[in-house]
Amino acid sequence: DIQMTQSPSTLSASVGDRVTITCRASQSISSWLAWYQQKPGKAPKLLIYKASSLESGVPSRFSGSGSGTEFTLTISSLQPDDFATYYCQQYNSYSLTFGGGTKVEIK
Amino acid sequence: EVQLVESGGGLVQPGGSLRLSCAASGFTFSSYWMSWVRQAPGKGLEWVANIKQDGSEKYYVDSVKGRFTISRDNAKNSLYLQMNSLRAEDTAVYYCARPCGGDCYLSYWGQGTLVTVSS
Repeated sequence: DIQMTQSPSTLSASVGDRVTITCRASQSISSWLAWYQQKPGKAPKLLIYKASSLESGVPSRFSGSGSGTEFTLTISSLQPDDFATYYCQQYNSYSLTFGGGTKVEIK
Repeated sequence: EVQLVESGGGLVQPGGSLRLSCAASGFTFSSYWMSWVRQAPGKGLEWVANIKQDGSEKYYVDSVKGRFTISRDNAKNSLYLQMNSLRAEDTAVYYCARPCGGDCYLSYWGQGTLVTVSS
């Protein structure tokens, strides 16, 4: 199975900061990568698919990049609503796998 | 509006069984693969199983193979997860989700149902 490794596991930032989260795959997954945001007690919400495509309705301050084995999620200017946990997910095979998550906390 | 509503969670003893259901609405259920994803308390997300539109293909994470069975009833717009030989490590919130395809991102999620395996 393909392993997904996210870093950092926790990130402290302030409103207005530029934030970058990294996700690495154990083998090449082309661009078959998605990013989700999850708030406590809620289901995950799709933000980005195919590594860099923004899901409809998601603010443009979110962007994704990368291909192969290394990917990033960037929030250009952190807003109060963005404090949450973020997960990457590969879909290169029927056996889907998620990264361990990155919690974005208020500094 | 796409809606996925899970039910059937609860407290069960180790070695016991439970059947989760997911009622789908707002889209043509029979046209989509469906998935189950779980999240143990305070932990990350783990994909559990996928099922093809007609039920002819099913995929499972290794840790549940032989114990869990995913199924669907397209006439009832419903997805199921039969869980047998439950273990403490199966304790989690179980989400029903709709992927864009068989090996794909998860576009829509239900609110989840909690399964607790404990004596």
